[in-house]
Amino acid sequence: DIQMTQSPSTLSASVGDRVTITCRASQSISSWLAWYQKKPGKAPELLIYEAFILESGVPSRFSGSGSGTEFTLTISSLQPDDFAAYYCQQYNSYPLTFGGGTKVEIK
Amino acid sequence: EVQLLESGGGLVQPGGSLRLSCAASGFTFSTYTMNWVRQAPGKGLEWVSSITGSGGSTNFADSVKGRFTISRDSSKNTLYLQMNSLRAEDTAVYYCAKDGLNWGSYFDLWGRGTLVTVSS
Repeated sequence: DIQMTQSPSTLSASVGDRVTITCRASQSISSWLAWYQKKPGKAPELLIYEAFILESGVPSRFSGSGSGTEFTLTISSLQPDDFAAYYCQQYNSYPLTFGGGTKVEIK
Repeated sequence: EVQLLESGGGLVQPGGSLRLSCAASGFTFSTYTMNWVRQAPGKGLEWVSSITGSGGSTNFADSVKGRFTISRDSSKNTLYLQMNSLRAEDTAVYYCAKDGLNWGSYFDLWGRGTLVTVSS
């Protein structure tokens, strides 16, 4: 199974900050990586797929990069609506696996 | 409107059974692989199971293999998850999710989830 490791697990930031979350895969997954935003009591929302492609309707302040085993999600200017948990997911092979999550908190 | 709506969650005793349903609307249901993903209280997301559009192929996480069954009824645009021999560690919010591509990809549409609590 491919293990996905996210860091940090918690991040404290202020509105307007640039935020970067890292996701590492235990083996190469090419660009088969997605990022999701999850708020309490709500369904997860797809932000990015294929490592860097922005899902339709997602604000352009979100961006993704990386390939192989190391990936990043960047929020260029943190907005109040962005305080949430973020998860990466590999879809290179079954079983599909998620990172442990990164909670972005208000500083 | 494109949406997924789960139902069937509730409180069940260890060793019991439960069947979850997910009603799909707004897209051609039979075309897409569908999935179940869960989130235990205070934990992260965990993929549970997938089924192809035709229903001909399925896949399961090791944690549920042999206990859970996934199925679909395209005449009703509905996905199911039959959960048997439930354990305390199966307690979670269960989400229905649509594949963005075909088989084994990302999830581009999610339902709001249904809570399953396994407790005596």
